[in-house]
Amino acid sequence: DGGITQSPKYLFRKEGQNVTLSCEQNLNHDAMYWYRQDPGQGLRLIYYSQIVNDFQKGDIAEGYSVSREKKESFPLTVTSAQKNPTAFYLCASTRSPSGTQYFGPGTRLLVL
Amino acid sequence: SQQGEEDPQALSIQEGENATMNCSYKTSINNLQWYRQNSGRGLVHLILIRSNEREKHSGRLRVTLDTSKKSSSLLITASRAADTASYFCATDDSGGSNYKLTFGKGTLLTVNP
Repeated sequence: DGGITQSPKYLFRKEGQNVTLSCEQNLNHDAMYWYRQDPGQGLRLIYYSQIVNDFQKGDIAEGYSVSREKKESFPLTVTSAQKNPTAFYLCASTRSPSGTQYFGPGTRLLVL
Repeated sequence: SQQGEEDPQALSIQEGENATMNCSYKTSINNLQWYRQNSGRGLVHLILIRSNEREKHSGRLRVTLDTSKKSSSLLITASRAADTASYFCATDDSGGSNYKLTFGKGTLLTVNP
């Protein structure tokens, strides 16, 4: 099956800990995205990558980091600098600029 | 800041009725998209309308776009309980990065059986 996967489904973070959320796609898409969604809110862009080994900050990049070493993978690290990390994190990919984005099932991050 | 803003924030209707949601945006766009999100899930693309199109249909969905008013509407006809979800509009910015979409806060649609 072609698609985009995220893991884990739920993630718990302790104070001062960095955690990494996984996002993998086998759609052969060049561009990938990370969004944060808070309850009752829309999506806010954290980082995006148009091509391997390149990425740009979105609207709320502070406290997050990404890498794009492979076309299929775009992991997001939530660092200890992100003071309010509790949210639903969504990864997406697209084949073309301004085109349809395909979303993964999401990871819910909770703070212990 | 949010590019797209949906209206209303929440809508509750009976099965079989039509549901209309509106979206307003601020900048010039290449296209506007509508997505659906079931509770706790990822978003699913519904329909894309280009800036030179005024209306588009897909099954029970009808989308209109008025670029002069910077607004769009999504009509779901003959609604079903399974249509219960949040609906988001998303726009690009023709003057900025074509790879970025900006999402509104969504309309929560509840269809009562």
